[in-house]
Amino acid sequence: AQSVTQLDSHVSVSEGTPVLLRCNYSSSYSPSLFWYVQHPNKGLQLLLKYTSAATLVKGINGFEAEFKKSETSFHLTKPSAHMSDAAEYFCVVSDPWKSSGDKLTFGTGTRLAVRP
Amino acid sequence: GAGVSQSPSNKVTEKGKDVELRCDPISGHTALYWYRQSLGQGLEFLIYFQGNSAPDKSGLPSDRFSAERTGGSVSTLTIQRTQQEDSAVYLCASSFSLQGPTEAFFGQGTRLTVV
Repeated sequence: AQSVTQLDSHVSVSEGTPVLLRCNYSSSYSPSLFWYVQHPNKGLQLLLKYTSAATLVKGINGFEAEFKKSETSFHLTKPSAHMSDAAEYFCVVSDPWKSSGDKLTFGTGTRLAVRP
Repeated sequence: GAGVSQSPSNKVTEKGKDVELRCDPISGHTALYWYRQSLGQGLEFLIYFQGNSAPDKSGLPSDRFSAERTGGSVSTLTIQRTQQEDSAVYLCASSFSLQGPTEAFFGQGTRLTVV
């Protein structure tokens, strides 16, 4: 069965410093991986996705993530945090070729706080 | 419409009453998902539709919960005899998914409060 583990429930960084949100996954086959962001009182928005093309994926707002199969990881990074990055971030895994279809499995989320 | 539409946006109901939550996916999207997000919690998977069939109902928390999808489009999530622990934001998402997933687009959710 597929699963995803977000290693930190809360991350706090200073504005202008790098962001690292960690995600490890478990999948029986070749997964698709996503990062979603949820700003307070807003809907979920896709940041980026990996679907077996380039292992380094660039997303919106300067975020990127690297798929590392050997480490079963898909960590989200950004070189320089902005105040507007403060939000909840979800790592998501999907096994598209399973007979039951491509259910999206969400991690428990990482709340990112950005200090002035 | 341009996005996933959910109605109502807010619902307050008395304990023991039944509620129906509606989701209008993006036109042409074959996959439809229901999730639940309780205060301060992550997203809890409820049910997944591919077309009108539900290959995975494993997340429905009890037999009070049911969902259907008709015409490969609109979906309704029904909660019977609501309990206070059912209070949450119910999120619907859809994607165009015939051979592997693409981006899932989420609605704004229905905030259900059981009093």
